Amino acid sequence: DAGVTQSPTHLIKTRGQHVTLRCSPISGHKSVSWYQQVLGQGPQFIFQYYEKEERGRGNFPDRFSARQFPNYSSELNVNALLLGDSALYLCASSLRTWGDTEAFFGQGTRLTVV
Amino acid sequence: DAKTTQPNSMESNEEEPVHLPCNHSTISGTDYIHWYRQLPSQGPEYVIHGLTSNVNNRMASLAIAEDRKSSTLILHRATLRDAAVYYCILRDPTYGNKLVFGAGTILRVKS
Repeated sequence: DAGVTQSPTHLIKTRGQHVTLRCSPISGHKSVSWYQQVLGQGPQFIFQYYEKEERGRGNFPDRFSARQFPNYSSELNVNALLLGDSALYLCASSLRTWGDTEAFFGQGTRLTVV
Repeated sequence: DAKTTQPNSMESNEEEPVHLPCNHSTISGTDYIHWYRQLPSQGPEYVIHGLTSNVNNRMASLAIAEDRKSSTLILHRATLRDAAVYYCILRDPTYGNKLVFGAGTILRVKS
């Protein structure tokens, strides 16, 4: 079975631009979450979606938005990019949203803002 | 979000057992204890989780204290591939599967 796939793997953007990151969960998984990992720190929660509905939002500005599609894939959008948005963006999928469920992470998208 | 405390780093010799401690004195009765690890340049990888009883799987064992205020991840025979950052995380079942990562423990394995 394919794991969680994210695209692109790397990209470079200029300050003020917009970026869209994509995630395909493991087949059968209905929950997708997004995390931001700045160099040297643990991942920070951005969003969780389950059955196409937002179920959780972390402490990130409104420039960050996401959505989940009928096939359970997801997009993370970031507007008006800042240098501080440079990070590894991780997507995780789960069968369900309960705390006893393990999350499976993709390899991430490395975003560099210049 | 419930907090966990882990040592910043630990070192182990290859082929020897490793015990990674985690303190979570403010754990609630419904919090699950999860462990993830992150190898260099990769996304986090699920290792194991438990609620009250000790747990074993093919990767590791999780020993949970009777009062649940601490736990220990046990790697039975460390290999060079186990060198990673290990995160101990508490998950409140009422808030879905949000994972709150701390700084974790950097495990170094010497050959």
